[in-house]
Formats: sequence, structure tokens, C-alpha cells
Amino acid sequence: KAGVTQTPRYLIKTRGQQVTLSCSPISGHRSVSWYQQTPGQGLQFLFEYFSETQRNKGNFPGRFSGRQFSNSRSEMNVSTLELGDSALYLCASSAGTGGDYGYTFGSGTRLTVV
Amino acid sequence: AQSVTQLGSHVSVSEGALVLLRCNYSSSVPPYLFWYVQYPNQGLQLLLKYTTGATLVKGINGFEAEFKKSETSFHLTKPSAHMSDAAEYFCAVSDLPHQAGTALIFGKGTTLSVSS
Repeated sequence: KAGVTQTPRYLIKTRGQQVTLSCSPISGHRSVSWYQQTPGQGLQFLFEYFSETQRNKGNFPGRFSGRQFSNSRSEMNVSTLELGDSALYLCASSAGTGGDYGYTFGSGTRLTVV
Repeated sequence: AQSVTQLGSHVSVSEGALVLLRCNYSSSVPPYLFWYVQYPNQGLQLLLKYTTGATLVKGINGFEAEFKKSETSFHLTKPSAHMSDAAEYFCAVSDLPHQAGTALIFGKGTTLSVSS
């Protein structure tokens, strides 16, 4: 059974640009969540999608957005990149809701903003 | 609001020694609790979780954790450390454990070093 797949693994962007990251959940999982990991702030929740609907959102500026497609694949977009957006972005999928089934994480996309 | 505190950002043990990683949580509702491990340049791997039921939870790779409501703790233990256990460990609590769209609130992490 394939795990959570995130593409690309590494990305270098320039300040002011925008970026789109992709996540394919485990087959059959309809919940997809996104997290940002930085040395200073640790792991922080960005948003969660279920059946193409955003159900929960973390405390991030509007430059961070996401969406989910009918096949449960998800993308997140960051516009007007800032140096502080450099981070490991992790996607997680779950079979259920409320954490009952646990979350399976992908290997992440390492974004560097220069 | 839910929160997690991991005591000790770095723990060092000898191979074969007991591993004890501490986690205390704050939650206004009965919590869902998780332990994850992260190896360098990789994502998070679920070690174990507590939702309801038995308070002693067994996970993968010989790890276990005990939910103690009176102490608001969920410490992770392993009787005998192995070199391959060296990694960063994260404790997490669900922000809305009984509702849809729940997020995980993570602790700052504990780096475990294992020496031979």
C-alpha cells in the first residue's frame, strides 16, 4: 500500500514568488492535513481538508492557501514568499475524523526561500 | 486550548538502557494523544496513540506509553534502547478530538541520542 506522497521533495524559490506543493494521500483516505515545520516554531498546523472542504485552519496569513480535489489529492499554495516561509512542509492523511485512526505523514517538501 | 510540553529537548542514553521521554499535556476535553518519531530528512512516523480504553498503549519498535489523567502525562518508554532509536520524538494532542477536522498540537520535540 503506497504511503503519502509529496512532491517535489526540494524546492528553492525567490522572495516574492509563489509556490505550489502537492500531496497524494493514502488510497481511501479522505482527510488531508498540512503542517509547517521550522527550527524556531516547531510543527504548526496549517489546514485540514475532507471531501474538498476545508474544515479547520491554523493561524497563518492568507498567503497560505490550499485545496483538495475530488480524488483526495491536495495542494497548498504560498504566495508572495518571504524568507521566513523556508520550512519543511508536511502533509498527513487519515482514514477517519477526530484523530481516531491516527495520521500518516509524507516525507515532506523542503522549501528554501532566498 | 490544548497544549503539549515535552520535558528535555535532548535525552542521551546508552545502548540497552531504559528510554524515558516525558510529555505533559493540557486539554479541556478528554484528549487524544500521539507519539511520533522523525528521522533526519524524513517525515513523521506514528509510534502509538491513545484515544480511549486501556491507558497503557503499546506501539511499534518496542515503545509504549501510559496515559495518566491525574498527572496529565503521556510519557514514552522503551525498556532497552537500540542505536536505531536515535531520532527526534514528538508528543502531540488533538485540538478537537471528538470533532471532524481536528489538528494535532505538537510539543517542541525531544532528540534522543544513543551511545554504544
